[in-house]
Amino acid sequence: DGGITQSPKYLFRKEGQNVTLSCEQNLNHDAMYWYRQDPGQGLRLIYYSQIVNDFQKGDIAEGYSVSREKKESFPLTVTSAQKNPTAFYLCASSLGTGNQPQHFGDGTRLSIL
Amino acid sequence: GNSVTQMEGPVTLSEEAFLTINCTYTATGYPSLFWYVQYPGEGLQLLLKATKADDKGSNKGFEATYRKETTSFHLEKGSVQVSDSAVYFCALSDGGNTDKLIFGTGTRLQVFP
Repeated sequence: DGGITQSPKYLFRKEGQNVTLSCEQNLNHDAMYWYRQDPGQGLRLIYYSQIVNDFQKGDIAEGYSVSREKKESFPLTVTSAQKNPTAFYLCASSLGTGNQPQHFGDGTRLSIL
Repeated sequence: GNSVTQMEGPVTLSEEAFLTINCTYTATGYPSLFWYVQYPGEGLQLLLKATKADDKGSNKGFEATYRKETTSFHLEKGSVQVSDSAVYFCALSDGGNTDKLIFGTGTRLQVFP
């Protein structure tokens, strides 16, 4: 079955520590996205990538970094510069051809120790 | 720029009641419109979509019609079940040749037996 796998499901970070969230898809999609969701809130776009080796900042990129070295993988690093990292992080992918739906993983919940 | 406005929740209904969740949008061009559903602790699932004016998207008893004259895409279901309790997000494509989406803030639905 094709889909998007996010790992781990739960992640804890100490103050001053960088952590990396994994996102893998086997849908052969060109485009991938990272969102942040706070309790009771909607989704905010952190970064997106239309194609391998290229990515763009979303609305709240500060304190985050990404890479897109392979089509199927789009890891997100939450750096120590992100002062309020506790949130639910969602990864998505899509065909990237315009007006197509995005398909989501099950999310990673990040908490500060 | 493009935007989506959803009715605030929570929407509280008894089982078998009729559901309407309002969604209106502002957009240039001809965006596609989507409804997503999020169950507790999970990612978003695509519920239905419509790609042009007067299209009706439908899935699992839910329906929504793309109304260009009223810039609306209201979600309806004739008889809700307890299992429909979730958060529902309206979204529109941001145009151009990308699949970037603009999401509404989400509407929580609670269905009681």
